[in-house]
Amino acid sequence: VVMTQSPLSLPVTLGQPASISCRSSQSLVSSDGNTYLNWVQQSPGQSPRRLIYKVSNRDSGVPDRFSGSGSGTDFTLKISRVEAEDVGVLYYCMQYTHWPYTFGQGTKLQI
Amino acid sequence: EVQLVESGGGLVQAGGSLRLSCTASGFTFSYSWMSWVRQPPGKGLECVATIKSDGSQEYYVDSLKGRFTISRDNANSSLYLQMNSLTAEDTAVYFCATSGGAVWGKGTTVTVS
Repeated sequence: VVMTQSPLSLPVTLGQPASISCRSSQSLVSSDGNTYLNWVQQSPGQSPRRLIYKVSNRDSGVPDRFSGSGSGTDFTLKISRVEAEDVGVLYYCMQYTHWPYTFGQGTKLQI
Repeated sequence: EVQLVESGGGLVQAGGSLRLSCTASGFTFSYSWMSWVRQPPGKGLECVATIKSDGSQEYYVDSLKGRFTISRDNANSSLYLQMNSLTAEDTAVYFCATSGGAVWGKGTTVTVS
């Protein structure tokens, strides 16, 4: 499954909303009815951190300015108000419905 | 504290082998599907191998062509990746992670010269 993110570089303004799109080459709805689409964040030199699982569930400790939505093959990560700590960081969508599990190319937020 | 700690990376010549290890703590390892995810320098993330919670099934990305073997020891909460016939294209940081991505290690660096 090919995961295509857009844009790959996102100019943002602190305090303003931001949105990243992720499209899959086939449906991510599993035979059990779940959609295994995550969003992970990776700061420079750090390991990835999961923000959102199964499309729209926020992980513990993740600020509520992050939200996920979508279905089937089209998904979105939204940041309601960009903060300084969100900038310079890569955001990847990831699917684990189909093997091999695959990631998008990554989107970097930039001022 | 929920934690994954990788070890075993290093510098190896092309054609050589390495065995990566990952030790888990703070969660029920034996219930968790586990994966190895790698990241070449300056590039994105690639999940190269996954193993079921009981070790009964292994999954590999096609590009590995049978060179890597994932295994686990649930009694010792450990995950392994045996890597053979290494090439420069295998140079990457290798992360151990739960397959759903909830828990990630800090990674271990493999450099193939």
